[in-house]
Amino acid sequence: KAGVTQTPRYLIKTRGQQVTLSCSPISGHRSVSWYQQTPGQGLQFLFEYFSETQRNKGNFPGRFSGRQFSNSRSEMNVSTLELGDSALYLCASKTGSEETQYFGPGTRLLVL
Amino acid sequence: QQQVKQSPQSLIVQKGGISIINCAYENTAFDYFPWYQQFPGKGPALLIAIRPDVSEKKEGRFTISFNKSAKQFSLHIMDSQPGDSATYFCAASMLTGNNRKLIWGLGTSLAVNP
Repeated sequence: KAGVTQTPRYLIKTRGQQVTLSCSPISGHRSVSWYQQTPGQGLQFLFEYFSETQRNKGNFPGRFSGRQFSNSRSEMNVSTLELGDSALYLCASKTGSEETQYFGPGTRLLVL
Repeated sequence: QQQVKQSPQSLIVQKGGISIINCAYENTAFDYFPWYQQFPGKGPALLIAIRPDVSEKKEGRFTISFNKSAKQFSLHIMDSQPGDSATYFCAASMLTGNNRKLIWGLGTSLAVNP
């Protein structure tokens, strides 16, 4: 089975812009979670989607949003980018009921 | 109550030595404790996991020790190798309603010197 894929892998944006990141889960996985990873802050949970519905949400401002499509692919959008949004954004998928998450390689976002 | 405290933040071990990373939690509702390993440029990957009904789980050179009464668990890497150099995250999972919630430690950067 192909693993979790994320596009793009690298992205440079300027403050105030918006960005959309994409995640394709492992085939058959219906749950997709998004994380922000920064040095010293570990993995910060953004949100989880299951069958096109957001079922868990972390403590991030409304500038961070996401959605999931009927094929389980997910997108994450960050509007009005700030310098502090520079991070590695990770996507993880699982079947839904299992505990193990399978991570993609991440999208590294740099905000200038 | 839902935090997972991980230590140390970084660790340097000589090849062949034992690497030990510790995690502590407060909420007794946690019922699944995974460790993830992350290499540079990659996403984290499940390394080993334990449930609170056992005190130890071993997979090759990797062992989780679990102390339910102290609400602590640790990862031991025996005969550490340079290829083990990575960031290690502990986590704790619990069921909330119909959903599983996963709380992460902040990670430990392990460097194994040749």
